[in-house]
Amino acid sequence: DTAVSQTPKYLVTQMGNDKSIKCEQNLGHDTMYWYKQDSKKFLKIMFSYNNKELIINETVPNRFSPKSPDKAHLNLHINSLELGDSAVYFCASSFSGRPRGEQYFGPGTRLTVT
Amino acid sequence: GNSVTQMEGPVTLSEEAFLTINCTYTATGYPSLFWYVQYPGEGLQLLLKATKADDKGSNKGFEATYRKETTSFHLEKGSVQVSDSAVYFCALNRDDKIIFGKGTRLHILP
Repeated sequence: DTAVSQTPKYLVTQMGNDKSIKCEQNLGHDTMYWYKQDSKKFLKIMFSYNNKELIINETVPNRFSPKSPDKAHLNLHINSLELGDSAVYFCASSFSGRPRGEQYFGPGTRLTVT
Repeated sequence: GNSVTQMEGPVTLSEEAFLTINCTYTATGYPSLFWYVQYPGEGLQLLLKATKADDKGSNKGFEATYRKETTSFHLEKGSVQVSDSAVYFCALNRDDKIIFGKGTRLHILP
């Protein structure tokens, strides 16, 4: 019974392609996040959704578009992939109202753009 | 602005050694502070937290105390094990946003 799951775990694709990563949580949380972790392990927030509403949108190229069909799902679509998009992407979730640092992370999706 | 600074790694220790990973923060007001751990090939897991000054968070033998006067939240463990090898992230929550430090990689040698 996985709490936060992501698919796929690995994604290898060529420059210029469009790809999606899916995230689902079964914890009943109302807030979900996407993070990007680079090769040096630096972790940066990209987006946050609360009850399907976008609440954090960091400086991310508009080739990245999140979509939250419901509270339990947050997908990330990436258009026109570039070499610099290669990274590990983590989904996370939490309850609003609690300190939002208490987040639960998925296992990550390793994206490699060639 | 809000930020977290933690010691650069990698940190390499022998099993049963004492561990300290330094973390200092800059923030307006009173943020909540956290340590997360990332084991190889996995996502981050919350290790411990403290929500106000002088709080001590503890879990799995790890401890950290929220020091407002020194704006620090250093992670300590009295006797590390090989299984503690991982990347450790200090983080703060302020204004509904979590900010992570750059992570410290820890290697424990048997």
